[in-house]
Amino acid sequence: QSVLTQPPSVSAAPGQRVTISCTGSSSNIGAGYDVHWYQQLPGTAPKLLIYSNKYRPSGVPDRFSGSKSDISASLDIVGLQAEDEADYYCQSYDVGLTESVVFGGGTKLIVL
Amino acid sequence: EVKLVESGGGLVKPGGSLRLSCAASSFMFSSFRMNWVRQAPGKGLQWVATISSGSENMYYADSVKGRFTISRDNPEKSLSLQMTGLTAEDTGVYYCVRAVGTIGSEFDVWGQGILVTVSS
Repeated sequence: QSVLTQPPSVSAAPGQRVTISCTGSSSNIGAGYDVHWYQQLPGTAPKLLIYSNKYRPSGVPDRFSGSKSDISASLDIVGLQAEDEADYYCQSYDVGLTESVVFGGGTKLIVL
Repeated sequence: EVKLVESGGGLVKPGGSLRLSCAASSFMFSSFRMNWVRQAPGKGLQWVATISSGSENMYYADSVKGRFTISRDNPEKSLSLQMTGLTAEDTGVYYCVRAVGTIGSEFDVWGQGILVTVSS
């Protein structure tokens, strides 16, 4: 059971838009901690996709965007491409019972 | 090119020990907080441990506290994870990861990962 909740999978056709949610609580996202997103292509290490809720590292296409509100965050991908098929993880920091870095359970994006 | 390369993984029996190493290159290693993150087969990412830039502070996930020890050698630009009392639940790919800033900051550089298998 992950501290941050993500849907197990989402799917959409090429060219479409998809949104992946990440829901936390008052001890992590709701406490003001930033949310970061990672993309993990099959068989590879995760790659930073969005940092501090909404910023893209150099080299990440502007098809990817992030937002945060209250206890949740979202990753939006527009103009979906076949190579976007991957696992996506959100990450934040939790100050509940014990302080720790926390990840969402991950979302498998399927490009139909 | 900024790079992190893990080594030391392999097969170990339950109750055994293993030491992972990570070699950093092409960045000022001593300026960054470093981390270990693991991924069990077919599962998601799990934070394992963090060490501050000058080794003043170490933090551990509850699941490894008291069994794992994170350390670093800044002149050698290396990070280590000493793992003891290993169980099957410790099986997975272990990533050496650089954190950009302070607590809660993003992980911007990841190693390729090293597989640890705990099995009799």
